[in-house]
Amino acid sequence: EVQLVESGGGLVQPGGSLRLSCAASGFTFSSYWMSWVRQAPGKGLEWVANIKQDGSEKYYVDSVKGRFTISRDNAKNSLYLQMNSLRAEDTAVYYCARVGYYYDSPYFDYWGQGTLVTVSS
Amino acid sequence: SYELTQPPSVSVSPGQTARITCSADALPKQYAYWYQQKPGQAPVLVIYKDSERPSGIPERFSGSSSGTTVTLTISGVQAEDEADYYCQSADSSGTYPVFGGGTKLTVL
Repeated sequence: EVQLVESGGGLVQPGGSLRLSCAASGFTFSSYWMSWVRQAPGKGLEWVANIKQDGSEKYYVDSVKGRFTISRDNAKNSLYLQMNSLRAEDTAVYYCARVGYYYDSPYFDYWGQGTLVTVSS
Repeated sequence: SYELTQPPSVSVSPGQTARITCSADALPKQYAYWYQQKPGQAPVLVIYKDSERPSGIPERFSGSSSGTTVTLTISGVQAEDEADYYCQSADSSGTYPVFGGGTKLTVL
């Protein structure tokens, strides 16, 4: 059974940092692209970042470029999101998601339960 | 930037058919995907590759595509189908996934 379990969320002041983790199990982690997707309170889903199987390619939504870094450790079956210079608008539930592809078409076939990040003074 | 537009809300009575549309101003020949999200839960994939249904998803869920619009159809809506539904696609390179704004389905 595929499982994705996020951790690391919490309350942080504006300008602060936080590191999210996602522990994966039930599949060959190193064979899949992985993503972070977030959802602000009462709002819709927003893709945040993608990382290739070997970590050699990483992509970000414009609003987090230069502030967030996605990474992975295939030996530990873990995905990470380092978030720096946090802003109030980064407040959201952050989901870890496995990425599937049909040719060049990505989608999210498994999701974790999410971890809440609150940026507030 | 690439955007997907969904109606904010759709309401239907139990047993009726609900149709939720998702339109793009310029469809980059990418497949569309649909997710169901109930309050306090993570999204669940209900349609992939425009019209395919993952295992475990009821047959009353179907998808279709025509031009720059894709549609999620739920036939014989049940109370348990009340949820937010999101379409998702990507830019032409497949690098940047994009979500629609979401549609709240209310079962009257």
